[in-house]
Amino acid sequence: DVKVTQSSRYLVKRTGEKVFLECVQDMDHENMFWYRQDPGLGLRLIYFSYDVKMKEKGDIPEGYSVSREKKERFSLILESASTNQTSMYLCASSLTGGGYGGYTFGSGTRLTVV
Amino acid sequence: GENVEQHPSTLSVQEGDSAVIKCTYSDSASNYFPWYKQELGKGPQLIIDIRSNVGEKKDQRIAVTLNKTAKHFSLHITETQPEDSAVYFCAASTGGGGFKTIFGAGTRLFVKA
Repeated sequence: DVKVTQSSRYLVKRTGEKVFLECVQDMDHENMFWYRQDPGLGLRLIYFSYDVKMKEKGDIPEGYSVSREKKERFSLILESASTNQTSMYLCASSLTGGGYGGYTFGSGTRLTVV
Repeated sequence: GENVEQHPSTLSVQEGDSAVIKCTYSDSASNYFPWYKQELGKGPQLIIDIRSNVGEKKDQRIAVTLNKTAKHFSLHITETQPEDSAVYFCAASTGGGGFKTIFGAGTRLFVKA
């Protein structure tokens, strides 16, 4: 069964901490994405990557960075966590950039910043 | 900017009834429209999709319709069951070209037994 695995289901971090969210996919997909999910706002794209070491800003990149050193792994970094970054974070991968065939999502990481 | 509006935000139906969720998109370049189902504690999962060269697609109890002229697309679930209870997201994208997928805000569907 193909998978996108996010390393943590729940995280609690303090304001100002540097936070790493890890995502690994086993489908050999070129494209990987980080979304943020908030009630009433749907899924908003933070960053995406279409190849190793390549990254592009999404709609809400402020306060975040990403790293893709290997094809299967895409990391989201909160440089200095703030309370307004408390949210559900979803990683996804796809065969095509625009999503023909759909995205495969991980189960999400619920991050609370206190 | 481009957006996708999704209605209703909450939908409650009796088991066996039909459920309809509607979306409207703004980007006329959109040509691929997937629907995702998100169960509690899980990530969204693709349940059905439609491309712009097709007006309707059906898979067992679920169907999607697309009106490109009006920029509307809808999800229809017939003979609803309690396990259909979940949050459903529509999305619009430019398919194989580009990386722009816009999601709707989601519809929470309750199916009462």
